[in-house]
Amino acid sequence: DAKTTQPPSMDCAEGRAANLPCNHSTISGNEYVYWYRQIHSQGPQYIIHGLKNNETNEMASLIITEDRKSSTLILPHATLRDTAVYYCIVRGVSSASKIIFGSGTRLSIRP
Amino acid sequence: SQTIHQWPATLVQPVGSPLSLECTVEGTSNPNLYWYRQAAGRGLQLLFYSVGIGQISSEVPQNLSASRPQDRQFILSSKKLLLSDSGFYLCACSLGGHTEAFFGQGTRLTVV
Repeated sequence: DAKTTQPPSMDCAEGRAANLPCNHSTISGNEYVYWYRQIHSQGPQYIIHGLKNNETNEMASLIITEDRKSSTLILPHATLRDTAVYYCIVRGVSSASKIIFGSGTRLSIRP
Repeated sequence: SQTIHQWPATLVQPVGSPLSLECTVEGTSNPNLYWYRQAAGRGLQLLFYSVGIGQISSEVPQNLSASRPQDRQFILSSKKLLLSDSGFYLCACSLGGHTEAFFGQGTRLTVV
């Protein structure tokens, strides 16, 4: 079973920041938080991941709470192309670590 | 970086026919490999994963099997397809540890 819970859907105005929450209250100390997104009829695309510090790359920022029980993915300036299903995943560092997807959040960007 | 090849992109097969979907990986060695299925409008369900040649773990009892005859080759098979096997099949690879997974473009299978 997935170890994360996310709202089923959200919407955001184009050009505004999209903030996608994720709860992972049972996360273990060696588990990372990963975010992927899936645009319709394509394979998922990696966005960002982190352990406990906030992370930023060219696509997004990841904010992880101090207790690590939740996180937020931030798309700073959402565009119509960001419309997708966003998945939050927790995963251990073991080489045998499975990648289990939950239901994700369907993000709609409105013009 | 890794590149994942999956084929075919779409496939229509009759009930009771066999299935073989192949996934090959370029640009890395000793990857972890995964097969997922996504039913229409649903999330990704992990079917099989492999940490090495001949090592397959099955996540869900079903009509499918997987094999890994070579380090960078992962095959999904069925002897007799069911209508419920229809879906979008995705292959993924990861180097394990705290590295991201890369996904292929998928095969959309329709069983008729």
